[in-house]
Amino acid sequence: DAGVTQSPTHLIKTRGQHVTLRCSPISGHKSVSWYQQVLGQGPQFIFQYYEKEERGRGNFPDRFSARQFPNYSSELNVNALLLGDSALYLCASSASYTEAFFGQGTRLTVV
Amino acid sequence: SQKIEQNSEALNIQEGKTATLTCNYTNYSPAYLQWYRQDPGRGPVFLLLIRENEKEKRKERLKVTFDTTLKQSLFHITASQPADSATYLCALAGVNTGFQKLVFGTGTRLLVSP
Repeated sequence: DAGVTQSPTHLIKTRGQHVTLRCSPISGHKSVSWYQQVLGQGPQFIFQYYEKEERGRGNFPDRFSARQFPNYSSELNVNALLLGDSALYLCASSASYTEAFFGQGTRLTVV
Repeated sequence: SQKIEQNSEALNIQEGKTATLTCNYTNYSPAYLQWYRQDPGRGPVFLLLIRENEKEKRKERLKVTFDTTLKQSLFHITASQPADSATYLCALAGVNTGFQKLVFGTGTRLLVSP
């Protein structure tokens, strides 16, 4: 069985640009969450979607948005990129309110 | 303020010994607490979950305890191996975090030497 897949694995963007990160959950998982992990810190919750509806939002500015599609895949969009947005962006899927299965992450570098 | 604290300094132990990692929290009422392993540049991997009404959970060489009075969880790896070297993260979720939102500690790096 395929795990959670994220694309791209790495990308470099310039300040002010926007970026779209993609996530495919484990088959059968209807919940997708996004986390930001800055070097040396634990993951910080950004969004959670369940059945295409936003179920939770972390303390991130409106430049961050997300959506979930009918096949439960998800996109995270970040507008007007700042240097501080450089981080590992993690997607996690889950079947219930228990363990989360994480993808390998997308390493975003803003220059 | 709400805090989840893990030892920020790396834990160095010899192969075969038991590693014990600590997770302390304040101003949370977690319904459950989870432990994850993270290797450099990779996503966290789920290890164990313990609920608020459970004192201890075991899985192979891993053991987790949860003391809601002390607001602390301990994570033990017995007979440690160099392959156990990684960063270990605790995460909690519950009433005042929202069950769908995991709140992570900063992680503790474990180094097991042969």
